[in-house]
Amino acid sequence: DSGVTQTPKHLITATGQRVTLRCSPRSGDLSVYWYQQSLDQGLQFLIQYYNGEERAKGNILERFSAQQFPDLHSELNLSSLELGDSALYFCASSNRLARDEQFFGPGTRLTVL
Amino acid sequence: AQSVTQLDSHVSVSEGTPVLLRCNYSSSYSPSLFWYVQHPNKGLQLLLKYTSAATLVKGINGFEAEFKKSETSFHLTKPSAHMSDAAEYFCVVSDPYNNNDMRFGAGTRLTVKP
Repeated sequence: DSGVTQTPKHLITATGQRVTLRCSPRSGDLSVYWYQQSLDQGLQFLIQYYNGEERAKGNILERFSAQQFPDLHSELNLSSLELGDSALYFCASSNRLARDEQFFGPGTRLTVL
Repeated sequence: AQSVTQLDSHVSVSEGTPVLLRCNYSSSYSPSLFWYVQHPNKGLQLLLKYTSAATLVKGINGFEAEFKKSETSFHLTKPSAHMSDAAEYFCVVSDPYNNNDMRFGAGTRLTVKP
């Protein structure tokens, strides 16, 4: 158990809809990262937040957005969903000290029908 | 920019034989390097990490990796494979001076035959 929690575990929705994925980092970790894992694209970094502020952006679509709240939990919002958005979405956290590894949550499996 | 290349997309070994999963990296800085394992329908678990201390790094479950700067490699090994080692393995390079920006390899799927 990494100490990172994600909800929900599974999510099934329809095209055009909007969903919110939630992540709670390990106690004491200030940095949260979001990743998308799909069969054709592999594991891709989406976005990072540190202590409530956006710090880095990866291959995140404009239809997707995220935020980190004062209690450090984070939410990833996916809107106008398409079939191709079906994937595993992982959250990871780190202390953001130099050379610290990231700890991954169990993931949310999103299926868009 | 930093990157990693996992040289094999699929490795198959017999139980009890050695495991070698190959990884080459490219980095402008002195990198941090990691190996993560992902079992089916699970999250990623850290196996081991290199952070400029000893070049031979020991991890969990009997895995180890050796950092070779001259070869820009960080191969993962295990002397004797177990059935439970069957999983996807990811080599990762991190730039600790750039928000821990992590770049993942494409992954190597390890199959262990009885």
